[in-house]
Amino acid sequence: EADIYQTPRYLVIGTGKKITLECSQTMGHDKMYWYQQDPGMELHLIHYSYGVNSTEKGDLSSESTVSRIRTEHFPLTLESARPSHTSQYLCASRQDTEAFFGQGTRLTVV
Amino acid sequence: GQNIDQPTEMTATEGAIVQINCTYQTSGFNGLFWYQQHAGEAPTFLSYNVLDGLEEKGRFSSFLSRSKGYSYLLLKELQMKDSASYLCAVSDLYSGAGSYQLTFGKGTKLSVIP
Repeated sequence: EADIYQTPRYLVIGTGKKITLECSQTMGHDKMYWYQQDPGMELHLIHYSYGVNSTEKGDLSSESTVSRIRTEHFPLTLESARPSHTSQYLCASRQDTEAFFGQGTRLTVV
Repeated sequence: GQNIDQPTEMTATEGAIVQINCTYQTSGFNGLFWYQQHAGEAPTFLSYNVLDGLEEKGRFSSFLSRSKGYSYLLLKELQMKDSASYLCAVSDLYSGAGSYQLTFGKGTKLSVIP
């Protein structure tokens, strides 16, 4: 069973607000990932990390930032939310032969 | 980077067998994952292949041929609850940082009909 958690599950915020989406895992996995997915569409990699203090940008530029100060924690921050950021955000962690997703955060920017 | 290709949609009959193919092109292959995703939910891990051959897990099996850049997911004894999207994801060594990206295909939407 996967021990990876995302909060909040649902969020509605106003344009221009700063928000942080939380992702935590208790499996000790080194590699963690953030994806953005619109309904019925493919997953786009936003950011990933292969260990503490190491992060890389993915293919999708979403005007977000991440940090990896602790192995278990990989938060995603939007400095100024826009309606185009409305989407589902999925966090995943991986160690060798297994990779699991959290339940996702469904973000709506109004 | 990667180029991952899957059929967009498939339809199969309850009780039957279906094979979902995935082809990929990558420079630093480090494994291939299959996921199931129901509408509105997060992907669920199904299988992982890094060596050539077939991995079996109950009704689901996954096959890999690294030389051909090809994998398939085989679903047996289909049930209505198997109606979902099936995602192929390739792990690729990102040589610039020694890290491993995990890139997804667009997914195959499987409809199981009575």
